[in-house]
Amino acid sequence: EPEVTQTPSHQVTQMGQEVILRCVPISNHLYFYWYRQILGQKVEFLVSFYNNEISEKSEIFDDQFSVERPDGSNFTLKIRSTKLEDSAMYFCASSELVPSTDTQYFGPGTRLTVL
Amino acid sequence: GNSVTQMEGPVTLSEEAFLTINCTYTATGYPSLFWYVQYPGEGLQLLLKATKADDKGSNKGFEATYRKETTSFHLEKGSVQVSDSAVYFCALSDPNGNQFYFGTGTSLTVIP
Repeated sequence: EPEVTQTPSHQVTQMGQEVILRCVPISNHLYFYWYRQILGQKVEFLVSFYNNEISEKSEIFDDQFSVERPDGSNFTLKIRSTKLEDSAMYFCASSELVPSTDTQYFGPGTRLTVL
Repeated sequence: GNSVTQMEGPVTLSEEAFLTINCTYTATGYPSLFWYVQYPGEGLQLLLKATKADDKGSNKGFEATYRKETTSFHLEKGSVQVSDSAVYFCALSDPNGNQFYFGTGTSLTVIP
């Protein structure tokens, strides 16, 4: 069964450093997403991406964040200058069809720890 | 706006007990509703979904019915197993946008 994959599974970084989280969505999916889950809190939407551009983003997704689909398979989330409060589990997701009705399939997550 | 309110955990049950995890929602328009499960050390897996009022989603013995009149999507299972121990998330899709809204998650532990 096709699945969303994410690398690395755990990333430790120093405050102020740049990090890139990588995702490989399911191959025939057209919509891609990033969510995050701070320990003990809700899963929160960050951004959605379709047709090589951001289609929606939340207040969390400020200038420090960017997303890119550098080739036909990868979907990346970059945090330019990490802060302590960026420590969280980051989930990538993808869906085939229109987001409002279709299932989003999630990857296993990358745990980001900012020291 | 859109939001999901989910029963607080943790929940501890004995094997073969009946499970209910409550979920209510607020939405503008007609969302689709989902239950996701997160096993220890893993990501979010779709458990079941319902896309319109009165639909019942079911999978692996779990069921949930989309109740528009009570804005609810409660998860039930008649007889839980130890392997059902996980965190369960209720979610809705924004009818007018791209994002999912998640509840806080309910941790379930089933003891033999």
